[in-house]
Amino acid sequence: GESVGLHLPTLSVQEGDNSIINCAYSNSASDYFIWYKQESGKGPQFIIDIRSNMDKRQGQRVTVLLNKTVKHLSLQIAATQPGDSAVYFCAEGGSGYSTLTFGKGTMLLVSP
Amino acid sequence: NAGVTQTPKFQVLKTGQSMTLQCAQDMNHEYMSWYRQDPGMGLRLIHYSVGAGITDQGEVPNGYNVSRSTTEDFPLRLLSAAPSQTSVYFCASGGYEQYFGPGTRLTVT
Repeated sequence: GESVGLHLPTLSVQEGDNSIINCAYSNSASDYFIWYKQESGKGPQFIIDIRSNMDKRQGQRVTVLLNKTVKHLSLQIAATQPGDSAVYFCAEGGSGYSTLTFGKGTMLLVSP
Repeated sequence: NAGVTQTPKFQVLKTGQSMTLQCAQDMNHEYMSWYRQDPGMGLRLIHYSVGAGITDQGEVPNGYNVSRSTTEDFPLRLLSAAPSQTSVYFCASGGYEQYFGPGTRLTVT
């Protein structure tokens, strides 16, 4: 099994529910924020990003919200499906070619 | 395009042995990086490179060396493996949107 989920915060939802995954970031100077999805046994996969000059960005079934005042990022997944079950990481970075700092992740479990 | 490839997928080493984890990308990205992932720790940056001939240290560089002689390849070397280096290693390439390889699961006994 995949050990990356050990001791992670877990969000359990029913299929069809909307899911909200939260992340507190650390650096008020971060310019760029990304959400990644990691399925068991695989590398992280890019989901959506947002720049610091925005507070909301929408993709297909996903929305990212950024609150710079409290340094908080959230990922909303609409109509959650069993295939959305994975570990979700937020990451923050500066401008240009900058290193990313990852959060510890949240495991999303979707039951049919 | 193959994207980011990593070899091997699994490796078991004895303490003190050395090895090289291979990483290659075919997207012509200047930026490449190595992370390690431990349970409950997220991904931690080991080393990164902003182009051929340029490398720099990340958050946890001790015990690892890198080089970048070509844009495509970014190998990670463990000079003398220790049990604390048991982890899953991911290589990534790209700028803002980093593409990750499938990972190498390393166990040091």
